[in-house]
Amino acid sequence: DIQMTQSPSSLSASVGDRVTITCRASQDINIYLNWYQQRPGRAPKLLIFTSSTLHSGVPSRFIGGGSGTEFTLSISSLQPEDFATYFCHQTYSLPWTFGQGTKVEIK
Amino acid sequence: EVQLVESGGGLIQPGGSLRLSCAASGFTFSSFYMTWVRQAPGKGLEWVSHISVSGSSINYADSVKGRFTISRDNAKNSLYLEMNSLRDEDTAIYYCARAPRYSGNYYLDYWGQGSLVTVSS
Repeated sequence: DIQMTQSPSSLSASVGDRVTITCRASQDINIYLNWYQQRPGRAPKLLIFTSSTLHSGVPSRFIGGGSGTEFTLSISSLQPEDFATYFCHQTYSLPWTFGQGTKVEIK
Repeated sequence: EVQLVESGGGLIQPGGSLRLSCAASGFTFSSFYMTWVRQAPGKGLEWVSHISVSGSSINYADSVKGRFTISRDNAKNSLYLEMNSLRDEDTAIYYCARAPRYSGNYYLDYWGQGSLVTVSS
């Protein structure tokens, strides 16, 4: 199975900050990497697919990139509604696997 | 508007069975792969199973293989998950999600609100 490791596991930031989350795959997954946001008590929502393609309706402050084994999700200017947990997800090979999550908290 | 609505969750004893349903609307259900993903309380996301548009291609996580069965009824715009021999570790919120494909990559673009399954004696 492909292991997905996110770092950091949590971070504290202020409104307006730029934050970056890293996701590393245990083997090459090309660009078969997606990012989701999950607010407490809610279902996950797709932010970015295929490493860098923004899902419809997602603000442009969310930026994804990377290929192979290293990927990043950046939020250019953190907004109050962005405080949530973020998961990466690979679909390069079965079983599809998720990172453990990165919780973004208010400083 | 794309909507996915799960139902069928509840409290069940270990060894019991449960059937989850996911009612889809707002899109051509028969044109999309569909997926079940679960989340144990306070934990991360775990892919459970997915099914092709016709139902001819199905895959399962090792943790549920042989116990869970995914199926779909395109005429009823519905996805199902039959869960047998349930264990404590199957306790989770179960989400159905639509799984389109772009440049060879599947992604989960719309999710239901989730259905809680609690396995406990």
